[in-house]
Amino acid sequence: GQQVQQSPASLVLQEGENAELQCNFSTSLNSMQWFYQRPGGSLVSLFYNPSGTKHSGRLTSTTVIKERRSSLHISSSQTTDSGTYLCALERGNTNKVVFGTGTRLQVLP
Amino acid sequence: NAGVIQTPRHKVTGKGQEATLWCEPISGHSAVFWYRQTIVQGLEFLTYFRNQAPIDDSGMPKERFSAQMPNQSHSTLKIQSTQPQDSAVYLCASSSRQGRGYFGPGTRLTVL
Repeated sequence: GQQVQQSPASLVLQEGENAELQCNFSTSLNSMQWFYQRPGGSLVSLFYNPSGTKHSGRLTSTTVIKERRSSLHISSSQTTDSGTYLCALERGNTNKVVFGTGTRLQVLP
Repeated sequence: NAGVIQTPRHKVTGKGQEATLWCEPISGHSAVFWYRQTIVQGLEFLTYFRNQAPIDDSGMPKERFSAQMPNQSHSTLKIQSTQPQDSAVYLCASSSRQGRGYFGPGTRLTVL
């Protein structure tokens, strides 16, 4: 089955609203990383967060290993936040990185 | 630092032709990964190298696909006898020993 599940699959917000994106995984992990994929396809690393909480501007990532989940919080969303957000984990006993199916975010003006 | 470099950015081939995709990892990174992204399958792992040695190619289609890393500065993904279902964005990533991955801009392959 799917080792990395992301929710919601898609999300529409009004500018200024907050968003909480979830990533749940069913395997042990060495690392967890969040990416933003621009509409043109290039991937930008947002967080490398194997555990705990990290902040970057309006973004916060929290990974709780024992609960097998990671979240990405976007506060005060902007139209430029629109795109696909992907979580990816490096499996515990390999170096293979497994991606979630992504959350497509659309922020309306 | 130029980041991970992939060439070409776009490639259009006819069915049955060969396609070679190039990746230049970030200098000093020991691992290079290849992924394929389609709308239907999302991001799929293909193969990866560590210190130029192939470690895991379990995601590679057994026929027609091959990857090499002849030196630490570049890796190639070759697809022989391309088929329309090979159309995808092919992404290369490199990472340091600490594990954080950096992706290239991808090569969009279109097989007519």
